[in-house]
Amino acid sequence: EAEVAQSPRYKITEKSQAVAFWCDPISGHATLYWYRQILGQGPELLVQFQDESVVDDSQLPKDRFSAERLKGVDSTLKIQPAELGDSAMYLCASSLVWTGPTGELFFGEGSRLTVL
Amino acid sequence: DQQVKQNSPSLSVQEGRISILNCDYTNSMFDYFLWYKKYPAEGPTFLISISSIKDKNEDGRFTVFLNKSAKHLSLHIVPSQPGDSAVYFCAAQFGGNFGNEKLTFGTGTRLTIIP
Repeated sequence: EAEVAQSPRYKITEKSQAVAFWCDPISGHATLYWYRQILGQGPELLVQFQDESVVDDSQLPKDRFSAERLKGVDSTLKIQPAELGDSAMYLCASSLVWTGPTGELFFGEGSRLTVL
Repeated sequence: DQQVKQNSPSLSVQEGRISILNCDYTNSMFDYFLWYKKYPAEGPTFLISISSIKDKNEDGRFTVFLNKSAKHLSLHIVPSQPGDSAVYFCAAQFGGNFGNEKLTFGTGTRLTIIP
């Protein structure tokens, strides 16, 4: 069964260091999302790509976060410098260009970030 | 501004009984509503959805009810099984134009099924 791949699964870093997360969506899915889930809260959208273009990055803290999807396939989310409040699960999801009435997004297993 | 709200952080239900999870939303422009299930250290997995033109959708043990006038939806699980113990997220989506596919999530309800 096709899956959204993410790495690393776990990352521990110190404040002010740089971190990067990688995501490979399901083959053929043109839309890719990065969500952040803080413990006890629901996932919040950080950035949405359609192929290599950013569709929505209104909630991305652009002073320290960046995201790219250069060839319209896999994607990287970077944080530099990391802050204590960035500790969270970073979830990648993908969907077909037009997912129809269900609107289903397929999520990866996530990357758990702990900032010390 | 929390557009999708799940006011019950946790719920415990006896195995075999009905589990009812509730969700409220504020934006009447949402077109689709989805429920996702999440186990610890895993990503959310899709469970069931409903279009705003319907008031009920059923899939096996899972039924979602939508009350548009009250801006309220609920997920019913009958009968509840131990494997249903997880965090359940309600999510909403705008329809229509391309680019509206992103989901807005509630804060989740942790369901525990007691054997």
